[in-house]
Amino acid sequence: SQQGEEDPQALSIQEGENATMNCSYKTSINNLQWYRQNSGRGLVHLILIRSNEREKHSGRLRVTLDTSKKSSSLLITASRAADTASYFCATDHNQGGKLIFGQGTELSVKP
Amino acid sequence: DTEVTQTPKHLVMGMTNKKSLKCEQHMGHRAMYWYKQKAKKPPELMFVYSYEKLSINESVPSRFSPECPNSSLLNLHLHALQPEDSALYLCASSQDPGAWTEAFFGQGTRLTVV
Repeated sequence: SQQGEEDPQALSIQEGENATMNCSYKTSINNLQWYRQNSGRGLVHLILIRSNEREKHSGRLRVTLDTSKKSSSLLITASRAADTASYFCATDHNQGGKLIFGQGTELSVKP
Repeated sequence: DTEVTQTPKHLVMGMTNKKSLKCEQHMGHRAMYWYKQKAKKPPELMFVYSYEKLSINESVPSRFSPECPNSSLLNLHLHALQPEDSALYLCASSQDPGAWTEAFFGQGTRLTVV
């Protein structure tokens, strides 16, 4: 079963605005990752945050993790039309290779 | 080379056909995965291979048969599929199944069962 739940399911913003996506999970994790998927194509790894970390940055991406609330957020700053894609969180529950994906957020950035 | 290559990109097969999906990586990764993804849904884990041995089968029907001939190759043999098996099939690899880091995904095979 899929552990992660994401909100919003869909998000539409203008170029230059920030986009925030949230992910919640149910059981303890080793780490949480965020992936991006352009329509009908493979997933691309964006960032990984370990269970003992609270915040991580990579370029225009900022990820936070709150293990007490079992939730994470992905912030994309100064969005671009090229950021239009689906974004998934994925959790590693130390089950020998199971990476479980959340339901995803479909982001649309309008030029 | 940080690529996972999947072939074919598209496949249409009848319910009585036998076909195979192929996946290849040359990053020295020791874990390889098959995921199935339906439209507007997240990828769902099907199989995990760890050091060329099947370590996880997520109760996948036997009409899907995985095979790992060597550390670089992963196949998914398909037989007697149903129309509801139509989906995007994604292969992925990672360095070590016991310590998840970055997973590399192929572009997928778009499968249509008619």
